[in-house]
Amino acid sequence: QQQVKQSPQSLIVQKGGISIINCAYENTAFDYFPWYQQFPGKGPALLIAIRPDVSEKKEGRFTISFNKSAKQFSLHIMDSQPGDSATYFCAAIRNNAGNMLTFGGGTRLMVKP
Amino acid sequence: NAGVTQTPKFQVLKTGQSMTLQCAQDMNHEYMSWYRQDPGMGLRLIHYSVGAGITDQGEVPNGYNVSRSTTEDFPLRLLSAAPSQTSVYFCASRQGGYYGYTFGSGTRLTVV
Repeated sequence: QQQVKQSPQSLIVQKGGISIINCAYENTAFDYFPWYQQFPGKGPALLIAIRPDVSEKKEGRFTISFNKSAKQFSLHIMDSQPGDSATYFCAAIRNNAGNMLTFGGGTRLMVKP
Repeated sequence: NAGVTQTPKFQVLKTGQSMTLQCAQDMNHEYMSWYRQDPGMGLRLIHYSVGAGITDQGEVPNGYNVSRSTTEDFPLRLLSAAPSQTSVYFCASRQGGYYGYTFGSGTRLTVV
């Protein structure tokens, strides 16, 4: 049972455009939602994260939008750059149940110059 | 401050051999986990620990053992390596609350 579903699997965006990656979760007990960025041959790196009592969080060009009632959240990358080309994973954590990190399936983003 | 350190970075094993993947963190994090990453499968949780002396199984625990005798170390043992265990293994740690996990750089394991 996939508890965090991520779409699309791959995304191609022109330089300067907006990249949007969507995730949906099933378990309302999740209480923290991080996004990870992974470059080939490297480990996932924490990019930005949000609590479910916040509807939006922005850090530089990266914004998380969170819709608790719909159990959905999304990552927006503004002014996308070729250096943003990587695989992005959404995830969810249950703080009171082992702190396990449940990942979405990942989105491979390519930003064309 | 090294973060999460994994060794070795690469390893080739023969079927049936055993080995231990090392993971150490110097951030005094309470929570640690092991994941495997396979093409098209994302990251899957193998085992996790909520503190020294406490471990539990994740999504894909078969063929792996863990122990956590100290806060810093969380080794992953392959009991009898199989080709299906060919993967990239990541260790991660977290302090709890509203913080994300910090990942190591991974161990690329090939079982022939």
